[in-house]
Amino acid sequence: QSVLTQPPSVSAAPGQKVTISCSGSSSNIGKDYVSWFQQLPGTVPKLLIYDNNKRPSGIPDRFSGSKSGTSATLGITGLQTGDEADYYCGVWDSSLTAVVFGGGTKLTVL
Amino acid sequence: EVQLVESGGDLVQPGGSLRLSCVVSGFTFSDHYIDWVRQAPGKGLEWVGRSRNKAKSYSTDYAASVKGRFTLSRDDSKNSLYLQMNSLKTEDTAVYYCVREYDSSGHYYHDAFEIWGQGTMVTVSS
Repeated sequence: QSVLTQPPSVSAAPGQKVTISCSGSSSNIGKDYVSWFQQLPGTVPKLLIYDNNKRPSGIPDRFSGSKSGTSATLGITGLQTGDEADYYCGVWDSSLTAVVFGGGTKLTVL
Repeated sequence: EVQLVESGGDLVQPGGSLRLSCVVSGFTFSDHYIDWVRQAPGKGLEWVGRSRNKAKSYSTDYAASVKGRFTLSRDDSKNSLYLQMNSLKTEDTAVYYCVREYDSSGHYYHDAFEIWGQGTMVTVSS
């Protein structure tokens, strides 16, 4: 059981928007900055969002992040078939003194 | 080019030991936190441990699942980080990734893993 809770799967049609939630607690999301990672099938994870809502260079603005209280959300607009992947949230947990990840969300673009 | 290259993965029996290596290039090793993240077959990401930078005296933290069994060490002369894994269990079977924090023009975001190695497979089985 992961410390951070994500929905196992989400789906949407090409061109549509989808959001992926990540729920935590006051010792992790409520206190520190959330990152989001994308793992395309058979590849190494890739950093999509850091510091709750910032994008590394090269990440398109179709990807966005937000945080409110002890929850964070990844948003993806203009969905493409190439966005089909597993998405993970991650954050430092001050009680565990460890980085914790969500269980991952599989995005299907129908 | 910034790069992390892992090695040392193998098939080992339960209770055995293994040492993984992560050789870095393209950046100043001593300036950065380096972590290990693992992924069991068909499963999600699991953080394993962290080696902080020289400014933080290379202090370490470990996941509860490996604390007391795994140990991180560095050799700056070889730009290398090592993960010594003892008392291995079948549940340690995974691809092990060496990862580096995001560097935004000298501002480091410790938990944003920007650079990933290709991974090395550890299989614990009798």
